Amino acid sequence: LHLQESGPGLVKPSETLSLTCSVSGDSISRSSPYWGWIRQSPGKGLEWIGSIFYRGDTFYSPSLKSRVSMSVDTSRNQFSLNLTSVTAADTALYYCARLKDKVLVLFWGQGTMVTVSS
Amino acid sequence: SSELTQDPAVSVALGQTVRITCRGDSLKTYYATWYQQKPRQPPLLVFYDKNTRPSGIPDRFSGSSSGNTASLTITGAQAEDEADYYCFSREMSGDHGVFGTGTKVTVL
Repeated sequence: LHLQESGPGLVKPSETLSLTCSVSGDSISRSSPYWGWIRQSPGKGLEWIGSIFYRGDTFYSPSLKSRVSMSVDTSRNQFSLNLTSVTAADTALYYCARLKDKVLVLFWGQGTMVTVSS
Repeated sequence: SSELTQDPAVSVALGQTVRITCRGDSLKTYYATWYQQKPRQPPLLVFYDKNTRPSGIPDRFSGSSSGNTASLTITGAQAEDEADYYCFSREMSGDHGVFGTGTKVTVL
């Protein structure tokens, strides 16, 4: 299994952060139905952002729920993250992941750094 | 509260035993999950559920829990165990996850 995050490394304040996770080595809809996103601010701890069931059900962190949306594209074996109205506080290393039981992270991508700056 | 609190840092002599603790209300209901993170690497799952170690994780890693406290024990710590360790649990709703604050383990 390989997970690869992709998307802009630089986003302007107030704009929308959009990332995609490409899954290879397995089918996104066959092996494990839950997929998710986690982030890690520079030099800091981990923050669980949310998860998505392969059929589209989503579960978001209460602290980010108003700004987060996730989607899945089974035809492309990908899932995506959108985070609106970003600020410098959203600067972080964003990981996509394969989950178990909706929330438990089993396997992580390598992560992609996103900086919010004008 | 959904917070999970860990000691910021612990040290252990090579070959000795170290226990990493995690405290939080959700641990009264849900098992803790443990991740190891080395510099410039994504976290690695090392222990989860009541007593599950993923394939490839040495059996010197073990987990336990009591009340609102969960622990990860490394019995016979090795130099390669030096890393940050994060606990993780479901929040009380069951639909979200929360990470602990992290513990830096130094092997002396």
